[in-house]
Amino acid sequence: QSALTQPASVSGSPGQSITISCTGTSSDVGAYNFVSWYQQHPGQAPKLLVYDVSKRPSGVSNRFAGSKSGNTASLTISGLQAEDEADYYCCSYAGSYSLVFGGGTKLTVL
Amino acid sequence: EVQLVESGGGLVQSGGSVRLSCAASGFTFSSHWMHWVRQVPGKGLVWVSRITSDGSSTSYADSVKGRFTISRDNAKNTLYLQMNSLRAEDRAVYYCARGVGGSTSCCAFDYWGQGAQVTVSS
Repeated sequence: QSALTQPASVSGSPGQSITISCTGTSSDVGAYNFVSWYQQHPGQAPKLLVYDVSKRPSGVSNRFAGSKSGNTASLTISGLQAEDEADYYCCSYAGSYSLVFGGGTKLTVL
Repeated sequence: EVQLVESGGGLVQSGGSVRLSCAASGFTFSSHWMHWVRQVPGKGLVWVSRITSDGSSTSYADSVKGRFTISRDNAKNTLYLQMNSLRAEDRAVYYCARGVGGSTSCCAFDYWGQGAQVTVSS
């Protein structure tokens, strides 16, 4: 159950698009379409942004989009806004009824 | 409105035990898988455990297997995490989280509590 690999930080200017990668293995990200993404602001609980690789829960902006290719999942945020500045985490089913998170990515809006 | 409220955290000695509770409201508790996720302040999220909607099946991260027990009381709309043989590395904020409905209940969390802090002293 090794953590998925995410970049420690990414940044972008308002209005731009950024992509956060989440690299796993053929035993987790590559094996199942059960990748989810979470946004966490300081001092708050995480919020679900995307599940099942690319599905968005009701109420989540369509500026957030998930995708997957092979062992790497990605979260793209378009039209960056100041309130998008937060930590982002990916999560994948890893088989044997277990789940694994990524180490997290800090997004800075310049 | 869906609400998850954790309780039972606090300071516990290394080797000791504590039980966390998560009171659920605003949804049909007995229809959802439930999970525990922990986070050391300033660090990343770590999945800890899950339980199916009827409580018949549970699973755990390797780091807590044999020491932690997840359970639920659907009549009381409450999720539990019994934590035994606590170690310094178990210090974290523990979140209860609701599994997304349907076939994705296993694998994504659509509502989270505000967390319960567990501190382990040596």
